[in-house]
Amino acid sequence: DTEVTQTPKHLVMGMTNKKSLKCEQHMGHRAMYWYKQKAKKPPELMFVYSYEKLSINESVPSRFSPECPNSSLLNLHLHALQPEDSALYLCASSQDWSNSPLHFGNGTRLTVT
Amino acid sequence: GQQLNQSPQSMFIQEGEDVSMNCTSSSIFNTWLWYKQEPGEGPVLLIALYKAGELTSNGRLTAQFGITRKDSFLNISASIPSDVGIYFCAGQRLKGSQGNLIFGKGTKLSVKP
Repeated sequence: DTEVTQTPKHLVMGMTNKKSLKCEQHMGHRAMYWYKQKAKKPPELMFVYSYEKLSINESVPSRFSPECPNSSLLNLHLHALQPEDSALYLCASSQDWSNSPLHFGNGTRLTVT
Repeated sequence: GQQLNQSPQSMFIQEGEDVSMNCTSSSIFNTWLWYKQEPGEGPVLLIALYKAGELTSNGRLTAQFGITRKDSFLNISASIPSDVGIYFCAGQRLKGSQGNLIFGKGTKLSVKP
């Protein structure tokens, strides 16, 4: 069982919808991440939060909006997505944003219709 | 950008056989990580390596951090059907206090009972 919990597990949304992905960890980790993974590809980094502050935005379109309400929670707000945004969205956390390994959740399988 | 060369891309083996896969890079890394991902799940951390030359085991899995810090291998002994999945290597490089993680493209392992 993963210690990083993501909800929902599956999400289908239209291009005009607004939805949010949620991630939670209670390991006391101070760095949290959003990754996007297409089929048969490695995860691609989207955002890094370190101590609840956005530290990296890998040129992600503004239709993806991250939020870190506290040290245990990470959200990804979605609006006006495109079909090509369909993918597995993975949340990860690590003790801090340095040399500590990342622990991943099981992801949200997103389909944009 | 930075790249990791992971090989082989896929492997089809008989149950009981040993497996070996590796990652190489032109760049030095501070940490090497090995993950396994099964369908519908997020990557699960198998082994983390922090020092050049380090050899670490986790059950039937053994991984080594290359002396040059530019490569790592993962061995699986006496494979079983539940070893099936995609194995990713990941190199982590410290830039100041920021740990940037680079993934290999993955090795897909199939085990025939």
